[in-house]
Amino acid sequence: GENVEQHPSTLSVQEGDSAVIKCTYSDSASNYFPWYKQELGKRPQLIIDIRSNVGEKKDQRIAVTLNKTAKHFSLHITETQPEDSAVYFCAAAPYNNDMRFGAGTRLTVKP
Amino acid sequence: DVKVTQSSRYLVKRTGEKVFLECVQDMDHENMFWYRQDPGLGLRLIYFSYDVKMKEKGDIPEGYSVSREKKERFSLILESASTNQTSMYLCASSASGTGSTDTQYFGPGTRLTVL
Repeated sequence: GENVEQHPSTLSVQEGDSAVIKCTYSDSASNYFPWYKQELGKRPQLIIDIRSNVGEKKDQRIAVTLNKTAKHFSLHITETQPEDSAVYFCAAAPYNNDMRFGAGTRLTVKP
Repeated sequence: DVKVTQSSRYLVKRTGEKVFLECVQDMDHENMFWYRQDPGLGLRLIYFSYDVKMKEKGDIPEGYSVSREKKERFSLILESASTNQTSMYLCASSASGTGSTDTQYFGPGTRLTVL
């Protein structure tokens, strides 16, 4: 089955700086790559996703890039704000929505 | 707006007890999932279901079973709770059927403590 590795496990940045979180996956059949944000005590919520026919997708301050050849994808957050502080999870899903998640990255944005 | 609810936010049980965790979604989603979340391990898939009365094992099914008698409800059962099943349990649902992928929407989670 799919195996997703996520790095780093913790990330601390100054407000206004950029943050990058990287994930690798093992199953070349994976074609859907979502990113979830989980604030303290809350449920994970989708913030952005990308499908395998696209190399990059952007939504305001967040962007995701995908390299299918190398089997890795990354989340980029620009102009970070304190409210970006949360745990971020990447995931990869092949056919039939059999999704697997990374271990998570705890992002702290210092004011 | 998709709503996924779970029967309890916090639950405390004794070792050996049978435990039922309930999940209900109100958007007529076909797919439902149970994960457990532990620090440093992310979300690990326990079981999932693509249709009523249908179930598939995830990565860590041992010690768990599931039931899906109605489309909107997916239950996780701990046959004989053990202390290593102390964890946060998250339910999720998504719209698409077998053969495609779609966004998963999560419930608020149940924090289970087994003493």
